[in-house]
Amino acid sequence: GPKVLQIPSHQIIDMGQMVTLNCDPVSNHLYFYWYKQILGQQMEFLVNFYNGKVMEKSKLFKDQFSVERPDGSYFTLKIQPTALEDSAVYFCASSLVGLANTGQLYFGEGSKLTVL
Amino acid sequence: AQKVTQTQTSISVMEKTTVTMDCVYETQDSSYFLFWYKQTASGEIVFLIRQDSYKKENATVGHYSLNFQKPKSSIGLIITATQIEDSAVYFCAMREDNAGAKLTFGGGTRLTVRP
Repeated sequence: GPKVLQIPSHQIIDMGQMVTLNCDPVSNHLYFYWYKQILGQQMEFLVNFYNGKVMEKSKLFKDQFSVERPDGSYFTLKIQPTALEDSAVYFCASSLVGLANTGQLYFGEGSKLTVL
Repeated sequence: AQKVTQTQTSISVMEKTTVTMDCVYETQDSSYFLFWYKQTASGEIVFLIRQDSYKKENATVGHYSLNFQKPKSSIGLIITATQIEDSAVYFCAMREDNAGAKLTFGGGTRLTVRP
C-alpha cells in the first residue's frame, strides 16, 4: 500500500539543540500531520498542514515547534530548542482528501527522538 | 471538543477465539468517521477498518467487524478467529467530516493472543 517515509528513524540529541524530523508523504496526498507518542501510550495530535499552511495545532505544539514543506519536498517538523519532555516517537501521516474517500490517514514508521 | 475513550488497557485471549474491544467517543458533530488502527510491536501503525457515522450497517473487513451503536456513541471492534499475529495495541480514533481534519485517538488496548 501507500507508504509514508520518515527520516531519521532515531535521533539522539542534547537538550537545547535543534532537531529536524523529515517526512516524505504519499505522493499525491494533500494533507499532512504530525503526532507525538510517548512510550507506546496515546497518539497525541500536534499539527496538520495543507497548501503550505498550518490548519490546526494542539497545545502540545509549542512555540519551539515549526512545520513546513518547501517546494513539495519533505514535510518537516523542527524543534528549536529541544527540551527533555520532547523525547518521544513522532509519527508523520498524510491523507488525500478528508471527505468523499476513506479519509484514512497513512502513517510513517515514526522517528524516535531522545533528548538528553 | 472530541474525545475517544478505550477503557480496556489490556486483553488476553486464546488463539482462534473472538475478542471484542470497546470504544466510546464524544463529539458535537453530526457527521464523523470512526477508525480502528493497530500498532505492531515494531511501532508500525496499520489501518484496519472504518465506520461512517451516517451508515447504519456495521463495517466488516476480513476478520474485523464493528459494532456501531450510535445512540451510545460506541464503536466496538470485533476480531473473530484470532491469530497470534493479531497481538498488538489497538487504537480507536475519530475525525470530523471536514477535509484535512485531524484524527483523535483513544488510549489504546493491548491485545495478547496466546497459543
